[in-house]
Amino acid sequence: DSGVTQTPKHLITATGQRVTLRCSPRSGDLSVYWYQQSLDQGLQFLIQYYNGEERAKGNILERFSAQQFPDLHSELNLSSLELGDSALYFCASSVGGGTGAFFGQGTRLTVV
Amino acid sequence: DQQVKQNSPSLSVQEGRISILNCDYTNSMFDYFLWYKKYPAEGPTFLISISSIKDKNEDGRFTVFLNKSAKHLSLHIVPSQPGDSAVYFCAASARGGGADGLTFGKGTHLIIQP
Repeated sequence: DSGVTQTPKHLITATGQRVTLRCSPRSGDLSVYWYQQSLDQGLQFLIQYYNGEERAKGNILERFSAQQFPDLHSELNLSSLELGDSALYFCASSVGGGTGAFFGQGTRLTVV
Repeated sequence: DQQVKQNSPSLSVQEGRISILNCDYTNSMFDYFLWYKKYPAEGPTFLISISSIKDKNEDGRFTVFLNKSAKHLSLHIVPSQPGDSAVYFCAASARGGGADGLTFGKGTHLIIQP
């Protein structure tokens, strides 16, 4: 158990819909990262938050957004969903400073 | 454009022998490198890391080697055990740039044969 909790574990939704994925980082970790893993792309970095503020952006689409709340949990919002958004979405946390991040078990999103 | 490349999608090694997983990178700003292990239906698990100021880091059966001039790193597992069968991801970050989001390779599936 990495200490990072993601909910829900599975999500099936229709195209055009909006979903929210939730992540609780390890106790004491200030950095939260979101990654997308699709079959052909491997693990793609989406966005990082540090202590409530956006720190870095990767390959995140404009239809996607995230935030980190005062209690340090984070949410990833995916809107106007397309079939190609079907993937595993991982959240990771770390104390910051580029140390090894600890990953949650992921949310498998299926868009039908 | 893939900045971190793992050119072997899979690797089969006999139990007890050495497993060597390779990784190449193109971004010269990367200064911190990590290896993660992933079992099916689980998140990646951090294994070992190395800073660009070092050329070797060892942790038990796992050793990571970094060749900065060649932009190449490798993970050695000695001796290989059945539980090592998993997908291994190489990752890199440019910590000096102020952000530490990781760039991952596509992974190598290591299969340990009994």
